[in-house]
Amino acid sequence: GAGVSQTPSNKVTEKGKYVELRCDPISGHTALYWYRQSLGQGPEFLIYFQGTGAADDSGLPNDRFFAVRPEGSVSTLKIQRTERGDSAVYLCASSLDAGGPGEQFFGPGTRLTVL
Amino acid sequence: KQEVTQIPAALSVPEGENLVLNCSFTDSAIYNLQWFRQDPGKGLTSLLLIQSSQREQTSGRLNASLDKSSGRSTLYIAASQPGDSATYLCAVKGGSYIPTFGRGTSLIVHP
Repeated sequence: GAGVSQTPSNKVTEKGKYVELRCDPISGHTALYWYRQSLGQGPEFLIYFQGTGAADDSGLPNDRFFAVRPEGSVSTLKIQRTERGDSAVYLCASSLDAGGPGEQFFGPGTRLTVL
Repeated sequence: KQEVTQIPAALSVPEGENLVLNCSFTDSAIYNLQWFRQDPGKGLTSLLLIQSSQREQTSGRLNASLDKSSGRSTLYIAASQPGDSATYLCAVKGGSYIPTFGRGTSLIVHP
């Protein structure tokens, strides 16, 4: 499809495990954003990429969280030593460019549950 | 730090009413403001994007306005329908290119 895709749609893991969440942006979009959304809240910024580099990772809550985008397209959000408080919906969005018009298009999200 | 507030938090109206959803922000130095719709358990769907130089945007029954000087945007929904039931979110993008979201307005339109 032409939209942003995210896999898996749901992930259940145990406390202390490692997880990877994948985002496939719209083709040609150079900017890619990761957000985390808890129930009843708006999306909370984690990190964004402009091309292959992480332009701003100020939203990552701690060093257990890491994201990569090695070829400037697909991105993976990695969470080490998961904690119950990491349970949330992780959303990915892409846009043509981070600056300028920058309309964002979102994927369906990955619901992460840490038991 | 940019703060975005959406009022009301929840709204329940009969079908056919015209609605106004409000979004206010604290830092007027913005690039753009985007309105989204989110259905339960789904991602966000873009509704309207207003650039900082624009005053309003329209799409079908939706109209969004922007007043940067007062730090406010409104989303107007004409002739509401049950299918409009969803959570509406606004996001403000500032100079850092990082969007800040409000908590949303949960809308129920009953037949």
